[in-house]
Amino acid sequence: DADVTQTPRNRITKTGKRIMLECSQTKGHDRMYWYRQDPGLGLQLIYYSFDVKDINKGEISDGYSVSRQAQAKFSLSLESAIPNQTALYFCATSGASRGNEQFFGPGTRLTVL
Amino acid sequence: QQQVKQSPQSLIVQKGGISIINCAYENTAFDYFPWYQQFPGKGPALLIAIRPDVSEKKEGRFTISFNKSAKQFSLHIMDSQPGDSATYFCAASRGTGNTPLVFGKGTRLSVIA
Repeated sequence: DADVTQTPRNRITKTGKRIMLECSQTKGHDRMYWYRQDPGLGLQLIYYSFDVKDINKGEISDGYSVSRQAQAKFSLSLESAIPNQTALYFCATSGASRGNEQFFGPGTRLTVL
Repeated sequence: QQQVKQSPQSLIVQKGGISIINCAYENTAFDYFPWYQQFPGKGPALLIAIRPDVSEKKEGRFTISFNKSAKQFSLHIMDSQPGDSATYFCAASRGTGNTPLVFGKGTRLSVIA
């Protein structure tokens, strides 16, 4: 079983729709992250959370929001999707005992028409 | 401001050759430098990492070389194989996982027979 799961794996939506991407982990890690990957731009940090009560903006948080429902769950929402949010989205986790090694989920491919 | 600059953007290497990917960083407070490997359709996974108290770390065919004074580090893949074809990301962070990783923009490596 995968340690970090993301749902859905693929999603096509229309401009203006609200979208939620979900991430769950069974690794027992306290830290969770959301990244966006675009060709040639690498991995850009959207939001991160070091525990259930901690939420921090990353470098590209505009147009996104997050919810840390439990230690194991971290959701990313696009309140009103726009075409330039078409990208591959990754969730990642890390644990304090492992330094800063991050474990990534399989990704969600989002297309906004 | 790009904190970690990675080059080249793409690289083609003959089977058996040496692949070299370079990264430069700006923040002298960075003290953890990992390399991640990503295969198509998968999330990135930690390949090898180094801390600035050593100048080189080797794991099998993969070596990180670190130059603290130049604020540069590089990944060397010896005896490159077609199975090494992937996208490679360098990253950096400071503290023992108390700040998120900052990623380079990635290098797409193709190893041809």
